[in-house]
Amino acid sequence: DAGVIQSPRHEVTEMGQEVTLRCKPISGHDYLFWYRQTMMRGLELLIYFNNNVPIDDSGMPEDRFSAKMPNASFSTLKIQPSEPRDSAVYFCASSLSWASSWEQFFGPGTRLTVL
Amino acid sequence: GESVGLHLPTLSVQEGDNSIINCAYSNSASDYFIWYKQESGKGPQFIIDIRSNMDKRQGQRVTVLLNKTVKHLSLQIAATQPGDSAVYFCAEIPSGTYKYIFGTGTRLKVLA
Repeated sequence: DAGVIQSPRHEVTEMGQEVTLRCKPISGHDYLFWYRQTMMRGLELLIYFNNNVPIDDSGMPEDRFSAKMPNASFSTLKIQPSEPRDSAVYFCASSLSWASSWEQFFGPGTRLTVL
Repeated sequence: GESVGLHLPTLSVQEGDNSIINCAYSNSASDYFIWYKQESGKGPQFIIDIRSNMDKRQGQRVTVLLNKTVKHLSLQIAATQPGDSAVYFCAEIPSGTYKYIFGTGTRLKVLA
């Protein structure tokens, strides 16, 4: 298995632009998580899905952020409009609820820079 | 992936020595605790986990200890190798959720 796939790996954009980050979870996994990592705040959970349904979005910073999971193999995290403080590395992770462990498998991340 | 940088506590260990990385957690109702390793430019990678009804669990070269009385978790790495250099995060999963709450991380530097 290729693992969790994220695209793009790097994104540089200007303030005010829309940014869309993409994630393909591991096939068969029923949980998908979006995280943000910054120097100041560390790793923060933004939102997670179970069977394509958002379960907890309490970590989403504000209305500028939205996430969707139209099917079991694809999710997006959108920021509109983007701001310089959104600059961070965004990780997607997936897991299998009925596995023996609660291990989450992380993707390589998308490094976002908002100028 | 970017790891928390300047504000991270750092542990420097000689190659071949044992390493002990500590973590304090906040929620006494957490059911599950996990250690992750993050190398520069990569996503976090699972190391070992432990349920709240256990005190100790061993893996390959790693041991996790859980002290619920003082809400403390530690990761012991035996015979530390250069490839162990990374940032290590503990995470707790509160009861009834699938949410990881990550700690701030510790940077491990292995000295040759």
